[in-house]
Amino acid sequence: QKEVEQDPGPLSVPEGAIVSLNCTYSNSAFQYFMWYRQYSRKGPELLMYTYSSGNKEDGRFTAQVDKSSKYISLFIRDSQPSDSATYLCAMSPPYGNNRLAFGKGNQVVVIP
Amino acid sequence: NAGVTQTPKFQVLKTGQSMTLQCAQDMNHNSMYWYRQDPGMGLRLIYYSASEGTTDKGEVPNGYNVSRLNKREFSLRLESAAPSQTSVYFCASSPTSGYRTDTQYFGPGTRLTVL
Repeated sequence: QKEVEQDPGPLSVPEGAIVSLNCTYSNSAFQYFMWYRQYSRKGPELLMYTYSSGNKEDGRFTAQVDKSSKYISLFIRDSQPSDSATYLCAMSPPYGNNRLAFGKGNQVVVIP
Repeated sequence: NAGVTQTPKFQVLKTGQSMTLQCAQDMNHNSMYWYRQDPGMGLRLIYYSASEGTTDKGEVPNGYNVSRLNKREFSLRLESAAPSQTSVYFCASSPTSGYRTDTQYFGPGTRLTVL
């Protein structure tokens, strides 16, 4: 079993819809959780960063962490065509030279 | 402030040829990383350097070598390229070394094809 599981999709939604993405993980030591966004033929860029359990909101984006279920989610409200990208979850324990465990990425297409 | 830069952007090699991928960051970060990204496989860590003067193997180091030339630069070398090394290579850097997790900042990638 991989440390981080992420359904690669792709996921197509109409503009304005809510996008829901999630990852599950097996390592209970993970405490830092990130979502990266990667546009086609570009490098990943950090979208959201959370520590431990709970919710974090930034504009149209909400990151949610449930450590008891080893499950993290990213919600995109009022999705726009510019949100079309691949979204990768990443996580790490509070040690280990900043090595991140990545999910495979989830491709999202927002249709105008 | 250019962030993380990578050269070249594209490269085609023949089996057995060698090449070096260059990476530089201007953010004064301690840690640097090399990843490869393949369809259906996600990002896989090849090598990383927690601080200047140190390097360590990641998940898929076979067939690669690295050099942390100074704090800014971290190069990845393929001594004898194989078709299995066809991939997109990303360099990343982060501010911290040691016992915290910090954001990693990625370069634009190098698309390598080995024939």
